[in-house]
Amino acid sequence: GENVEQHPSTLSVQEGDSAVIKCTYSDSASNYFPWYKQELGKRPQLIIDIRSNVGEKKDQRIAVTLNKTAKHFSLHITETQPEDSAVYFCAASTSQSGGGADGLTFGKGTHLIIQP
Amino acid sequence: EAQVTQNPRYLITVTGKKLTVTCSQNMNHEYMSWYRQDPGLGLRQIYYSMNVEVTDKGDVPEGYKVSRKEKRNFPLILESPSPNQTSLYFCASSFDARIYGYTFGSGTRLTVV
Repeated sequence: GENVEQHPSTLSVQEGDSAVIKCTYSDSASNYFPWYKQELGKRPQLIIDIRSNVGEKKDQRIAVTLNKTAKHFSLHITETQPEDSAVYFCAASTSQSGGGADGLTFGKGTHLIIQP
Repeated sequence: EAQVTQNPRYLITVTGKKLTVTCSQNMNHEYMSWYRQDPGLGLRQIYYSMNVEVTDKGDVPEGYKVSRKEKRNFPLILESPSPNQTSLYFCASSFDARIYGYTFGSGTRLTVV
C-alpha cells in the first residue's frame, strides 16, 4: 500500500519568513495530494490540494508543488503569520488497485511554530 | 450548513464495555471513513465505506466494527474496548476521497481505563 513520509516533524520560523514542508509517497498510481491544517483542539481542514496533471498551484500565501517523477510534493507558506501556527498534514490518494485502502494516506504531520 | 457530526465529543469508559461513536453527514456523500489520531503517528485509517452496505478495512481495523445501513450514517463500534484504543477519532466524508479530499467531523476523544 501507499507510504507517505513527511518532514520535518517540527518547524520553527520567524514571523514573516517562509516555511516549507516536504512529503514523499510510494505509490506511483496516486494522483491527488491534499494538505490539511489542524489547529489545536480542532479538526483537520483542507487548505490546498494538487492533482497529478499539475506541477504547481498557488492560493495567496500558500503554494504546493508536485514532482511526480521523484514522487514528492511540498507545501510553501510565505510571509508567515502567527495564525499559521498549527499542525500540517500532507496526504496522497490510495486505491485498492494499488494494494492499499481506498481513500487518503496521511503523513505523520508537521508542527509549524511561528515565532513573533 | 454542510457538515459531518460526531457524537460524543468526549468519552471515558472502562475496558470491555461496548460503545458506539456516531457519525452523520448531510452532504449526500457516498464515501465515509474513520481515522484515529495518535501523537507521532498522524492519522491512520480504521475503516471506510464507498456506499451503503459496502465497508472495507483500512490500515488499523483490529478491535473495531462499522456499519453503513444508510447513506448519511457511519457508526464506529468498539465491542470490547481496551486501553490501547485510547485515542482521538475522526469521521470523514467525501464524494470521492481519491479526487476531492475529506470533510472531517469535530472529533471524539476516547479514553479507555
